[in-house]
Amino acid sequence: AQTVTQSQPEMSVQEAETVTLSCTYDTSESDYYLFWYKQPPSRQMILVIRQEAYKQQNATENRFSVNFQKAAKSFSLKISDSQLGDAAMYFCAYRGKIQGAQKLVFGQGTRLTINP
Amino acid sequence: DTGVSQNPRHKITKRGQNVTFRCDPISEHNRLYWYRQTLGQGPEFLTYFQNEAQLEKSRLLSDRFSAERPKGSFSTLEIQRTEQGDSAMYLCASSMTGEYGYTFGSGTRLTVV
Repeated sequence: AQTVTQSQPEMSVQEAETVTLSCTYDTSESDYYLFWYKQPPSRQMILVIRQEAYKQQNATENRFSVNFQKAAKSFSLKISDSQLGDAAMYFCAYRGKIQGAQKLVFGQGTRLTINP
Repeated sequence: DTGVSQNPRHKITKRGQNVTFRCDPISEHNRLYWYRQTLGQGPEFLTYFQNEAQLEKSRLLSDRFSAERPKGSFSTLEIQRTEQGDSAMYLCASSMTGEYGYTFGSGTRLTVV
């Protein structure tokens, strides 16, 4: 079974600085999707960025980028120019691509605090 | 259509009572998912539907849990004889076939006292 591990329960960063959130995963599959989701307090989960395993190029969405290391099964999220609105729980998630593999497997989450 | 809607937002129930939650997905989405999230943890998969067919159920979904999606539109999740361990946030999400990501609802927070 696939597992996702986020080893940083909490992180904090000064506003406008850069922070990196770590994620590792375990799978025997060769192709899959990886995601970072953001869950603000008392609000719904929002997709931040996604990566397809067969693509070597790291995904980027504005201030958010990933460092995808397939051999190491590592998928970290870098947030540049941190803003107060970035404060939230961040979840790393895995989804397989084989037929019928629809469920997301989530990590335990990292709580990100932005210090003004 | 403003996204995935879940009702109620909060539910407090006494142990042993039955509860039912509702999820209205984005109208054109044919897939619907239920997840459970306990405090400080990531969401855990419970079940998913493609149209009205329930295609996968987690072992977390005990006999006390049942989910339906009649006519492939809204879905209900019922918990019978609730236990304190059922206290959690129940999240619903939807997607279209071929899409890689989900749209999540805001969840229903269940407290069993």
